[in-house]
Amino acid sequence: QVQLVQSGAEVRKPGASVKVSCQTSGYTFNDYYVHWVRQAPGQGLEWMGLINPDGGIPSYAQKFQGTVTMTRDTSTRTVYMDLSGLRSEDTAIYYCARSATYGYVHFDYWGQGTLVTVSS
Amino acid sequence: EIVLTQSPATLSVSPGETATLSCRASQSVGSHLAWYQQRVGQAPKVLIYSATTKATGTPDRFSGSWSGTEFTLTISSLQSEDSAVYYCQQYRNWPPWTFGQGTKVEIK
Repeated sequence: QVQLVQSGAEVRKPGASVKVSCQTSGYTFNDYYVHWVRQAPGQGLEWMGLINPDGGIPSYAQKFQGTVTMTRDTSTRTVYMDLSGLRSEDTAIYYCARSATYGYVHFDYWGQGTLVTVSS
Repeated sequence: EIVLTQSPATLSVSPGETATLSCRASQSVGSHLAWYQQRVGQAPKVLIYSATTKATGTPDRFSGSWSGTEFTLTISSLQSEDSAVYYCQQYRNWPPWTFGQGTKVEIK
């Protein structure tokens, strides 16, 4: 069955970086984009960007250009989201989710979420 | 960027009644809209995609409809397990993929 399993909770100080992983299984890795969506405490869902596992090409939301880096490891079917220059406003749950790479498609499977806390 | 506006922000409904949630797009997205349910402490889960198609496992009491840029999620015969926040998402014009701000459904 399709699974996206994320790494555990992280605590960082302001100015630091964090790297969250999303290990996938149960489907053809190259056939689905992996997206990152974040949710600040009590807030809605915010799309951060995606990576196309076929070639490793990322696409970032304008807000996160320069601070986020998305990569993938095809040997382990794992996608990574690296966020630098952390501020308290980056405290959130970060989700990975997948969508097919063809046509107009929604996010059909999501990871369980990773809480990142930024605090001095 | 397409903006999705959901209403109301909170909906309080008695068990067995019907909840009607709205999502308005700032421009045409065709039928390329999904609805997600997010229960407390859980990841979002797709309920409806292509505006009207139920995802696998979505109970029959959930239905989606649309006209122009107005989309509706209807939950009939509301049950306690339907207590959640519901988000709409457009995937017609991307990037970015955009979400509405959510509607919280409370069970009276």
